[in-house]
Amino acid sequence: TQLLEQSPQFLSIQEGENLTVYCNSSSVFSSLQWYRQEPGEGPVLLVTVVTGGEVKKLKRLTFQFGDARKDSSLHITAAQPGDTGLYLCAGPPYSGSARQLTFGSGTQLTVLP
Amino acid sequence: DADVTQTPRNRITKTGKRIMLECSQTKGHDRMYWYRQDPGLGLRLIYYSFDVKDINKGEISDGYSVSRQAQAKFSLSLESAIPNQTALYFCATSDSGSEQYFGPGTRLTVT
Repeated sequence: TQLLEQSPQFLSIQEGENLTVYCNSSSVFSSLQWYRQEPGEGPVLLVTVVTGGEVKKLKRLTFQFGDARKDSSLHITAAQPGDTGLYLCAGPPYSGSARQLTFGSGTQLTVLP
Repeated sequence: DADVTQTPRNRITKTGKRIMLECSQTKGHDRMYWYRQDPGLGLRLIYYSFDVKDINKGEISDGYSVSRQAQAKFSLSLESAIPNQTALYFCATSDSGSEQYFGPGTRLTVT
């Protein structure tokens, strides 16, 4: 059973469109992280959200942590081909070991020029 | 220079062979991790180490072993490789926080 469910699994859009990807769980997380992975490389950390309801912005990317700390979303405005990649959410479960991260299965985003 | 390096980057081996994947880091982090990545399954933790004397099994440790030779080095071994161990393998490091820094990965194929 996947503790973190990401949707959609695949997303293909045209340059300039907006999109939102989701990371949902039935469990509470003390924090959630978002990573982006490009082909042939390891995941790279984009942001960490810690407080329920928190919103963080990174240029055209907006990250939100749910009030109950069970879900998160990533919204991209005016997507560009450089945004193409696998987006992964991850977090240490609140009731589990803080020593480990649980990863979602990812959203593969393709932005077409 | 990369902060987390992995060798080899690609490896093809046969069933039953012993394989070692190596990871080195220059970030000065105490914590190191090994993950495997399969399509549709995300990253799954194999082993992790919080210091040289601390080794812990992760979610999928069967068929794997690790060695923490120094603070900067953490190696993963497959004692007798099998085809379902074909995957991408990533090493990662972290400090006392939960944010992790990944190496570039090793693509392992077991035929």
